[in-house]
Amino acid sequence: NAGVTQTPKFQVLKTGQSMTLQCAQDMNHNSMYWYRQDPGMGLRLIYYSASEGTTDKGEVPNGYNVSRLNKREFSLRLESAAPSQTSVYFCASRDTHYEQYFGPGTRLTVT
Amino acid sequence: QKEVEQNSGPLSVPEGAIASLNCTYSNSAFQYFMWYRQYSRKGPELLMYTYSSGNKEDGRFTAQLNKASQYVSLLIRDSQPSDSATYLCAVNTGGSYIPTFGRGTSLIVHP
Repeated sequence: NAGVTQTPKFQVLKTGQSMTLQCAQDMNHNSMYWYRQDPGMGLRLIYYSASEGTTDKGEVPNGYNVSRLNKREFSLRLESAAPSQTSVYFCASRDTHYEQYFGPGTRLTVT
Repeated sequence: QKEVEQNSGPLSVPEGAIASLNCTYSNSAFQYFMWYRQYSRKGPELLMYTYSSGNKEDGRFTAQLNKASQYVSLLIRDSQPSDSATYLCAVNTGGSYIPTFGRGTSLIVHP
């Protein structure tokens, strides 16, 4: 039981490049989330998916898109990366209770 | 005023002491309270959750919820250097998919 997995662990992009961050969970959770974490800013919600087939914007959705591919997988896409998107990205999932389970994170640097 | 407030720290305690971490919230509709531990360069991991006023214990950890005064505390007894981490408080209203996180308190346990 791997929990929540994320790929890649590290990535360096040039401004304007695109990439997709992958997230998968094997806990049969309905809800999945993408956060970014920056020093002094805490965790900020980018997008979430309450259940398979639905996605909704969080606090900081600009510059990102998401796809809930199936119940297990939730991807985050940066279409045209900007230096302001340099951050650590965390995926999380949640079952019927309120506790979330987080992945190990992706460290993204945009130059 | 932020909805969830935590002192950023660092809180420094000697090994073997009790560490007390506090989280205050401003919305009385919050009903579900979680504590996450985050080691440096890792994802947050669920430590404890509580739904009702009073104390909840799990080993060396105790979550104290006081709904009347709108705060939740995490006590760590017999603190160990391995407890050195950032502790995030998260709260939810009933039925909401989106938790509100505090920015975390950094704890340092020195030998």
